[in-house]
Amino acid sequence: TQLLEQSPQFLSIQEGENLTVYCNSSSVFSSLQWYRQEPGEGPVLLVTVVTGGEVKKLKRLTFQFGDARKDSSLHITAAQPGDTGLYLCAGGDQFYFGTGTSLTVIP
Amino acid sequence: ETGVTQTPRHLVMGMTNKKSLKCEQHLGHNAMYWYKQSAKKPLELMFVYNFKEQTENNSVPSRFSPECPNSSHLFLHLHTLQPEDSALYLCASSPERASYNEQFFGPGTRLTVL
Repeated sequence: TQLLEQSPQFLSIQEGENLTVYCNSSSVFSSLQWYRQEPGEGPVLLVTVVTGGEVKKLKRLTFQFGDARKDSSLHITAAQPGDTGLYLCAGGDQFYFGTGTSLTVIP
Repeated sequence: ETGVTQTPRHLVMGMTNKKSLKCEQHLGHNAMYWYKQSAKKPLELMFVYNFKEQTENNSVPSRFSPECPNSSHLFLHLHTLQPEDSALYLCASSPERASYNEQFFGPGTRLTVL
């Protein structure tokens, strides 16, 4: 089993603040994906990272894949209430998902 | 309709009931998945179908029985469930079964077993 641990589990911040969430594993992944899930909905893909050390930007979101392809981070700049949701990382041939980070951005 | 749809959105059933969850995708994908999402636990992959053939069964109890009559439809038949089976059941699809493919998820069925 390729375990993906995410931290923090819960995060509540004020609008405009920056934050980083982490996805860590002891296993090597050929690729990792980040999803966001809003209440009452299924997860929606944000990005896929495939190369060690890769950095991808999606507007105010910056995703990084660790050099050893065992970990990844998601940094949000100037968080907005619309960023509220459950952030999930996923990877591996068996579609392993992390435990998730529940983010609340307070207006 | 577009994307991945699931019905019903909510289901309450007793332990002796038999019910079915339905998933339909309008994306032309060839792979479909069932996941279980419980509180405080990661999404758990249950079953995978690729080109209508079941390719994975992740040690799921036999009280859950999947069916994939064609590439657009996926069912999960439920019988004699336990209260611990209460969870959000998510269906997803992708172009084909590959870990690098984006999966498109439906909104899920919230199941409560009494």
